[in-house]
Amino acid sequence: SQQGEEDPQALSIQEGENATMNCSYKTSINNLQWYRQNSGRGLVHLILIRSNEREKHSGRLRVTLDTSKKSSSLLITASRAADTASYFCATVNTGGFKTIFGAGTRLFVKA
Amino acid sequence: AAGVIQSPRHLIKEKRETATLKCYPIPRHDTVYWYQQGPGQDPQFLISFYEKMQSDKGSIPDRFSAQQFSDYHSELNMSSLELGDSALYFCASSLGLPETQYFGPGTRLLVL
Repeated sequence: SQQGEEDPQALSIQEGENATMNCSYKTSINNLQWYRQNSGRGLVHLILIRSNEREKHSGRLRVTLDTSKKSSSLLITASRAADTASYFCATVNTGGFKTIFGAGTRLFVKA
Repeated sequence: AAGVIQSPRHLIKEKRETATLKCYPIPRHDTVYWYQQGPGQDPQFLISFYEKMQSDKGSIPDRFSAQQFSDYHSELNMSSLELGDSALYFCASSLGLPETQYFGPGTRLLVL
C-alpha cells in the first residue's frame, strides 16, 4: 500500500456486533475519507473527516481521527449482513489532490 | 441522481495494443480522478484533473496519458499494453477542492 496499514486485514463478526477498523497514514493531510467496496464494484463514500475534526458520526458509523498519531478508526455499530464488504480509508495530501488508499479491511458479517 | 459514468465497462485487449477509457463526471463536478485497482489490492491513484488542468500525478506509467476536455469528461489513454495492466480502472469526480469523491462503476480491463 502507498499509505500505511489498515488493521485488521480481515474481520468476521456476528450480526448485531460492532466492527472496528483502523487506519494509519504517513503524510500531512487535508481530510480522511472512508469508503466501502463490494467485491469488484465501485467504491461508495461513507464519511469524510477533516484534519481539524476529531470525531464524526453518520447513522451507524463513527469515525475518529488522531492527527498526532496519524491514525483513524471506523466503527460500525449493530452490524448487518449487508455490511459485508471491504472498507478503505483514503487520505488527501495537504494542498493537493493525490488520494492515497489504505490496504483495506475485509469485513464479513454472519447472519 | 446522476452518477459518474465510465465506458466501456469491460475491455479485452492484446499485449502491445492501445486502449482508451472514458469517464463522464457528475454534472457540475470539475475534478476527475483516475485509479487502478489490481485483484485484492487497494486503489492506486494515477492522475487527477481540476478545471481541465492536471492537478496531481501518482503512479501513472509513462505509457499512459490522460486529459480532461472542455465538457469536463476525461479520457485515459493506455498504450503498449502489458499483462500487468489488467485491472479495474475507476474514475471519480468531485466538486472543486478534494472533497467527497464519487466513484464510477469502473472499467475492467483484461490484457491477453
